[in-house]
Amino acid sequence: DAGVIQSPRHEVTEMGQEVTLRCKPISGHNSLFWYRQTMMRGLELLIYFNNNVPIDDSGMPEDRFSAKMPNASFSTLKIQPSEPRDSAVYFCASSPDQETQYFGPGTRLLVL
Amino acid sequence: AQSVTQPDIHITVSEGASLELRCNYSYGATPYLFWYVQSPGQGLQLLLKYFSGDTLVQGIKGFEAEFKRSQSSFNLRKPSVHWSDAAEYFCAVMNTGFQKLVFGTGTRLLVSP
Repeated sequence: DAGVIQSPRHEVTEMGQEVTLRCKPISGHNSLFWYRQTMMRGLELLIYFNNNVPIDDSGMPEDRFSAKMPNASFSTLKIQPSEPRDSAVYFCASSPDQETQYFGPGTRLLVL
Repeated sequence: AQSVTQPDIHITVSEGASLELRCNYSYGATPYLFWYVQSPGQGLQLLLKYFSGDTLVQGIKGFEAEFKRSQSSFNLRKPSVHWSDAAEYFCAVMNTGFQKLVFGTGTRLLVSP
C-alpha cells in the first residue's frame, strides 16, 4: 500500500511568495493532520480534519496559513505571504481510527 | 495540559549493547502513548503504541516499551542495538477521546562501532 504522499519534497521560495503544500492521505483513512517541525519548537500540530472537516486549527500560527481538504484524498496547506520564519519541515499524517497516525515523508520548506 | 519529557537529547550506544530511551508524560488519566522513529530526511515511523492492557508492548525492529503508571513513564528499550538504529526517537502522548498528538523533543541515538 502506498503511504501518505506529500509534494513537493523540497521547496525554496522568496519571502512574500505564496507556497502550497500538498498531501494525499492513505486510502480509507478519515483523519488528516498537518504538522510543522523546527529545531526551536519541535513537532507542532497545525490543524487536523475528520471526514474532510477541519476540527481543530488552533495550532495554525496566523492568518497567513490556511488549509483545505476538498475531498477524502487530497489536502493543501497554503502560506501566503511566506516569511523566512516559516522555514521548516511540514508533515502530513493520516489516521484510520482516530488513534494511530501515519506520517508522510515531509516537505522541506526554505523561505529566503 | 498534557506534556511529554524526553530528558536525553543525545545518547551514544555501542553496536550490540542494550538501549533504553526515557519518556515521562504529564496527564491526569491514562493517555495513549506512542514511540516514533525518524531517520535523517525521512518522516516519522511508528515503532509501537500503548492504549491499555499489558503494560509491556512489543513493536517493530525489535523494540519494546513498558508503561509504568506509578512513574508516569513509557521507556523504550532494545536488547541489542544495530548501526541502522541510529536516528531520532520521539515519544508522544494523546488524550483519549481526542486526536491531538503531543510530542517530546526527541532523543538522537548515535551508534558507535
